Amino acid sequence: AQSVTQPDIHITVSEGASLELRCNYSYGATPYLFWYVQSPGQGLQLLLKYFSGDTLVQGIKGFEAEFKRSQSSFNLRKPSVHWSDAAEYFCAVGAKGNEKLTFGTGTRLTIIP
Amino acid sequence: DVKVTQSSRYLVKRTGEKVFLECVQDMDHENMFWYRQDPGLGLRLIYFSYDVKMKEKGDIPEGYSVSREKKERFSLILESASTNQTSMYLCASSSTSGRWYEQYFGPGTRLTVT
Repeated sequence: AQSVTQPDIHITVSEGASLELRCNYSYGATPYLFWYVQSPGQGLQLLLKYFSGDTLVQGIKGFEAEFKRSQSSFNLRKPSVHWSDAAEYFCAVGAKGNEKLTFGTGTRLTIIP
Repeated sequence: DVKVTQSSRYLVKRTGEKVFLECVQDMDHENMFWYRQDPGLGLRLIYFSYDVKMKEKGDIPEGYSVSREKKERFSLILESASTNQTSMYLCASSSTSGRWYEQYFGPGTRLTVT
């Protein structure tokens, strides 16, 4: 069975500082990996995805993520956060042909001035 | 602009009541999902529908049922609401082709059962 672990429940970062949110996955085959963001009062929105190929993927809003098979990780990064990045971030894993995704427990990001 | 709408943002019901949560999507998507979101537990799939009148249990279907009579509408039913069903409920939809992996979410319904 596939699973996703997000070890950080809550992270606080100063505006302008860099950000890294951790995600570890468990999946038998090559996983399809995703990061979604949930802004306050909103539904989730897809930030970026990894299927295959280049292990560094770019997403919307200046986010990127790196797939590391040896560490079973897919960490989300941003070089300089903005106050509008305050949200909850969910890592998810899926498989081609199976529309159901397995979501992690989420990391809440707080931005301080 | 693509949209998934949910009938209520906030709902308060009494224990034992029958509760209907409605979700409508305007993207002609085949797949629709109901999730429950709780702090520290993330999103857990309650039910999934891949076509009209077709459904599949998710990870936590107990105490819930669903109905999909039209492609655009997916309803979640709590037959007899209980306090442990107090939660945020999120509906989502996705296509079976193209960007199959991208689920579009509604804003959620925060249900309180007293």
